[in-house]
Amino acid sequence: GDSVTQMEGPVTLSEEAFLTINCTYTATGYPSLFWYVQYPGEGLQLLLKATKADDKGSNKGFEATYRKETTSFHLEKGSVQVSDSAVYFCALSEMGQGAQKLVFGQGTRLTINP
Amino acid sequence: GAGVSQSPRYKVAKRGQDVALRCDPISGHVSLFWYQQALGQGPEFLTYFQNEAQLDKSGLPSDRFFAERPEGSVSTLKIQRTQQEDSAVYLCASGSGGRRTYEQYFGPGTRLTVT
Repeated sequence: GDSVTQMEGPVTLSEEAFLTINCTYTATGYPSLFWYVQYPGEGLQLLLKATKADDKGSNKGFEATYRKETTSFHLEKGSVQVSDSAVYFCALSEMGQGAQKLVFGQGTRLTINP
Repeated sequence: GAGVSQSPRYKVAKRGQDVALRCDPISGHVSLFWYQQALGQGPEFLTYFQNEAQLDKSGLPSDRFFAERPEGSVSTLKIQRTQQEDSAVYLCASGSGGRRTYEQYFGPGTRLTVT
């Protein structure tokens, strides 16, 4: 089946540092790709998505580009803030028996220090 | 509007007990998904409903797990004779797009601890 591998954490950065969280995937078809974020005590929230090759998803200063040739969807942000501290999940959508189910990576915990 | 809600938020069960976890999706959402998230891992798909029909239950780990959505709105995930390996956070998500729902909205989860 399809799978997602993302950079192991935890990742600790200082405020205003540049962030990259690597994500690669294995898929038989052409999945849509997502980054979800889980803030402390809250549910998973969709951060950004890309539905086809070379698409760039962006939101709240984060961006990721769907790279089919390298099967990657790395998350980047130019200047992180303390409020970005959370767990980040890369995911792809895979058509299962009934619907587009999500396949997640293991998550990367990000801590931003002031 | 209100998001996806789940109850209880925390549940402690003794091994062998039955538990029932509830999910209230966003009003009008056709699709409903259940995921299981073990500690330190990403969520894993359990089952999918389109309205009241359970179209995919390929992720349910054993026949002790049972889910229903009888009126196409609220859903219940039931785990019979709980085991320690069932300890996890159970996430519910809903979406508006039917089988090809690309965007799923997640609830806060129910943390189940089996002792």
